[in-house]
Amino acid sequence: KAGVTQTPRYLIKTRGQQVTLSCSPISGHRSVSWYQQTPGQGLQFLFEYFSETQRNKGNFPGRFSGRQFSNSRSEMNVSTLELGDSALYLCASSFGAGGNNEQFFGPGTRLTVL
Amino acid sequence: AQKVTQAQTEISVVEKEDVTLDCVYETRDTTYYLFWYKQPPSGDLVFLIRRNSFDEQNEISGRYSWNFQKSTSSFNFTITASQVVDSAVYFCALSFSIGSSNTGKLIFGQGTTLQVKP
Repeated sequence: KAGVTQTPRYLIKTRGQQVTLSCSPISGHRSVSWYQQTPGQGLQFLFEYFSETQRNKGNFPGRFSGRQFSNSRSEMNVSTLELGDSALYLCASSFGAGGNNEQFFGPGTRLTVL
Repeated sequence: AQKVTQAQTEISVVEKEDVTLDCVYETRDTTYYLFWYKQPPSGDLVFLIRRNSFDEQNEISGRYSWNFQKSTSSFNFTITASQVVDSAVYFCALSFSIGSSNTGKLIFGQGTTLQVKP
């Protein structure tokens, strides 16, 4: 069974631009969560989606948005990029929603904002 | 508020030594889940274990073992006879309920970098 895939793996953008990151969960998984990883703040929760509905949102500005499609694939978008948005963005999928489900992480998209 | 603390930022051991990674959590929920993940230099977060708040049994998987103690809000991870391949960043994480909903949101600790020297 293929794991969680994320595209692109690396991205370089400049301040003010916007970016869209994509995540394909493990086949059969209906829940997708996104996390931001930085050296200073560690791993921080961004969003949780289940069956195309956002269940939870982390403490990030409105420039961060996401969605989930009917095939469970998910995208997250960051508009008006800032230097501080440089990070590794990780996507995790699980079969069901909620903490009683193991979450499997993808390799991440490393975003660099210049 | 929910919080996970991994007080050990970095640990360095010599191969074959045993090492314990500490994790202390805070939550007011009665139902919660605790996790350990490994992040090797390649960057991929690898799931190691999930424990629910009602199951305090210790678990052993090969060289890995976990000790869950609700009385001290700790979920410690021990690697026996460490190997160079164990070198990685290890994260402890907590998920809990928001209102009546059990969320998959993970609160991570800051991670412990383990270096195993040959």
